[in-house]
Amino acid sequence: NAGVTQTPKFRILKIGQSMTLQCAQDMNHNYMYWYRQDPGMGLKLIYYSVGAGITDKGEVPNGYNVSRSTTEDFPLRLELAAPSQTSVYFCASSSSYEQYFGPGTRLTVT
Amino acid sequence: AQSVTQLGSHVSVSEGALVLLRCNYSSSVPPYLFWYVQYPNQGLQLLLKYTTGATLVKGINGFEAEFKKSETSFHLTKPSAHMSDAAEYFCAVILTDSWGKLQFGAGTQVVVTP
Repeated sequence: NAGVTQTPKFRILKIGQSMTLQCAQDMNHNYMYWYRQDPGMGLKLIYYSVGAGITDKGEVPNGYNVSRSTTEDFPLRLELAAPSQTSVYFCASSSSYEQYFGPGTRLTVT
Repeated sequence: AQSVTQLGSHVSVSEGALVLLRCNYSSSVPPYLFWYVQYPNQGLQLLLKYTTGATLVKGINGFEAEFKKSETSFHLTKPSAHMSDAAEYFCAVILTDSWGKLQFGAGTQVVVTP
């Protein structure tokens, strides 16, 4: 079991570029989540999904999009990257109340 | 609105001393409560959780936490700090009807000195 995997680990984007952060889990979990972590702010929920084809906004969804075409994958799309999106992004999955986190993607927008 | 407050963004403890990290939540309905640990450049790892039942919960690495409904608190303790406990600790809550969405506190950085 790989658990929750995220790619890439690091990325530098220029302002206005777009990219997709990949997230995959092999635990057959229905629930998946994207968080961003900023210093001194804890983690904030961006989007979540309760199953394939079902997604919803979290606390800070602006500037992001998601899709969930399979149980395993939950990519996060950044369109028109902005410096405010510089952060560490974590994907998580769960089947009940315990969430399992990926190792994170560190994104810098300059 | 649900919120989670962690008192103290940085805590310094001596090796062998008590570790106490404070967490309070605001909710009229007792939520599910969690403590996560994050080591440098890593993801979050679950330390312990409270859902129902016994209010004193034991977790990994010698940590434990007690749910006190009257104080809306879920403080984390470890009797004797080890150098390997240096990390950031996050308290989090889930409301029972919120699709498992976690709401995190701001985190407490723990430094352990020899």
